[in-house]
Amino acid sequence: TQLLEQSPQFLSIQEGENLTVYCNSSSVFSSLQWYRQEPGEGPVLLVTVVTGGEVKKLKRLTFQFGDARKDSSLHITAAQPGDTGLYLCAGVSATDSWGKLQFGAGTQVVVTP
Amino acid sequence: EAQVTQNPRYLITVTGKKLTVTCSQNMNHEYMSWYRQDPGLGLRQIYYSMNVEVTDKGDVPEGYKVSRKEKRNFPLILESPSPNQTSLYFCASSLMGLGGYTFGSGTRLTVV
Repeated sequence: TQLLEQSPQFLSIQEGENLTVYCNSSSVFSSLQWYRQEPGEGPVLLVTVVTGGEVKKLKRLTFQFGDARKDSSLHITAAQPGDTGLYLCAGVSATDSWGKLQFGAGTQVVVTP
Repeated sequence: EAQVTQNPRYLITVTGKKLTVTCSQNMNHEYMSWYRQDPGLGLRQIYYSMNVEVTDKGDVPEGYKVSRKEKRNFPLILESPSPNQTSLYFCASSLMGLGGYTFGSGTRLTVV
């Protein structure tokens, strides 16, 4: 059983459309991180959120951390083919050591021209 | 360039033959970690280290060993590899754990 549940597992959209990926848990997190991974490569950090209710923007990407620090979302506006990839959320539980980072299963996003 | 370097990139070995995958970071990070990634199972943490000589088990430590004798290096040791350890392995480092990790490019290990 994964500590972090991501939905949907797969998302296929046309260029220019918006999309949202969700990351949910019953646990409270000290830190929630979002990564993007290309096939055969290591995940690349997009953002870290640590404060409940926090919203961070990275160009067309908006990240939100739930007020209770149990969930997060990633919203992409006007998606482009370059946004294609596996999006992973990862978290450090508030009851765990800071070194224990656990990942969700990921959301595969495909953006077609 | 700030990076995490893993070697080798690809490795095919036989059951029972001890092997080491090296990991080195040049960012003076305190935290280092090893993960394996398998289809349908995602990224699972094997071991992590919060400082020199401080290591702890992740979710799937069985069959693996690590050591952290120097801050920059965190090798992963498979004393007696088995086919179920065939996987894509990633090393990662972080300044303080909560702030996010830099990952290496991965080591694809096949045990036959």
